[in-house]
Amino acid sequence: ELKVEQNPLFLSMQEGKNYTIYCNYSTTSDRLYWYRQDPGKSLESLFVLLSNGAVKQEGRLMASLDTKARLSTLHITAAVHDLSATYFCAVNPDTDSWGKLQFGAGTQVVVTP
Amino acid sequence: NAGVTQTPKFQVLKTGQSMTLQCAQDMNHNSMYWYRQDPGMGLRLIYYSASEGTTDKGEVPNGYNVSRLNKREFSLRLESAAPSQTSVYFCASSGAEKTQYFGPGTRLLVL
Repeated sequence: ELKVEQNPLFLSMQEGKNYTIYCNYSTTSDRLYWYRQDPGKSLESLFVLLSNGAVKQEGRLMASLDTKARLSTLHITAAVHDLSATYFCAVNPDTDSWGKLQFGAGTQVVVTP
Repeated sequence: NAGVTQTPKFQVLKTGQSMTLQCAQDMNHNSMYWYRQDPGMGLRLIYYSASEGTTDKGEVPNGYNVSRLNKREFSLRLESAAPSQTSVYFCASSGAEKTQYFGPGTRLLVL
């Protein structure tokens, strides 16, 4: 059974500082997603990482994938209040060809002045 | 281009009542999914449809049924609602690139 673990589950950030969210998964996969969810809202796709060593950046967010370590990281640079949200990673296992995803439990991020 | 739409947005049911959650997408995607989201548990897959005419169970299918009405529409039915089914339900769809796009969600309260 595929397991996807995120840590931390809660992250209190100070504005201007850098932080990292980790996503570990238990089976082989070359496709990992990061989503953002604002309170009471739906999920918005941030990044899809398709191969070992893949790195994607958008504004203050940068995601990377190490398929050998089965680890993805979401790095936040100089946190700002607008980044307060819950961040989910999700993995599509190699054994599935239809795009099924296993989600992590999510990391709730709160950015304060 | 509305993306993924869901109805209703919010519903209150009594234990034992039935209801159908509707989902439609206009992105010409083959695959569609139903998830439930509970606090601290991320999203759990209830059922999915890899393509029109096929449906399969996900992680938590008990108490639910689905219908892939056509390529655009995928409905989720609760035949006899239970308080344990109180949750937020999301529908999603994906195309060839497999990125899933989510609807706005349905908040269901079962009393």
